[in-house]
Amino acid sequence: ETGVTQSPTHLIKTRGQQVTLRCSSQSGHNTVSWYQQALGQGPQFIFQYYREEENGRGNFPPRFSGLQFPNYSSELNVNALELDDSALYLCASSLSGRETQYFGPGTRLLVL
Amino acid sequence: DAKTTQPTSMDCAEGRAANLPCNHSTISGNEYVYWYRQIHSQGPQYIIHGLKNNETNEMASLIITEDRKSSTLILPHATLRDTAVYYCIVSRDKLSFGAGTTVTVRA
Repeated sequence: ETGVTQSPTHLIKTRGQQVTLRCSSQSGHNTVSWYQQALGQGPQFIFQYYREEENGRGNFPPRFSGLQFPNYSSELNVNALELDDSALYLCASSLSGRETQYFGPGTRLLVL
Repeated sequence: DAKTTQPTSMDCAEGRAANLPCNHSTISGNEYVYWYRQIHSQGPQYIIHGLKNNETNEMASLIITEDRKSSTLILPHATLRDTAVYYCIVSRDKLSFGAGTTVTVRA
């Protein structure tokens, strides 16, 4: 167990809807990174938050957005859901942006 | 971040050492070598990382060549629970996952 928790574990949405996924970081960690893992592929970096500020972003459109709260927990928001957004969404926390990242169990999103 | 090359798959016998190779010929001087593994549909699990020197922890050993262009992850006594996809990543901060090596431990 890494101490990183995510909610919900599973989610079903329809195309065009919006979704919010949540992540609680490991105690003492101030950085959260989000990843998308499509079936059969490795995780792809979405963005990272360090002390409530975005600290790097991967090749994802603006409809993927995030927040980090003062307690360092984080949300991933996806607007205008598309079928291809169906994936396992992973968050990882670390002591800082350049320290080892520890992953949560993920949220599996299915878009119909 | 530098790219890595790993075998697509490998088998190993339970109780034997598993040696997982990784090539990272374009690694930069300030990039670390990280190894994670992912058991079916779970979040990736951190195994070990290193910069230049060989490293060992309770899970595995990491051997990095002197020129840092390749490395080997060693699982000293593989068990059935070590069956997973193993990812070798070189990074300063953001993790860039490739396809990894699917390791199957057989009884």
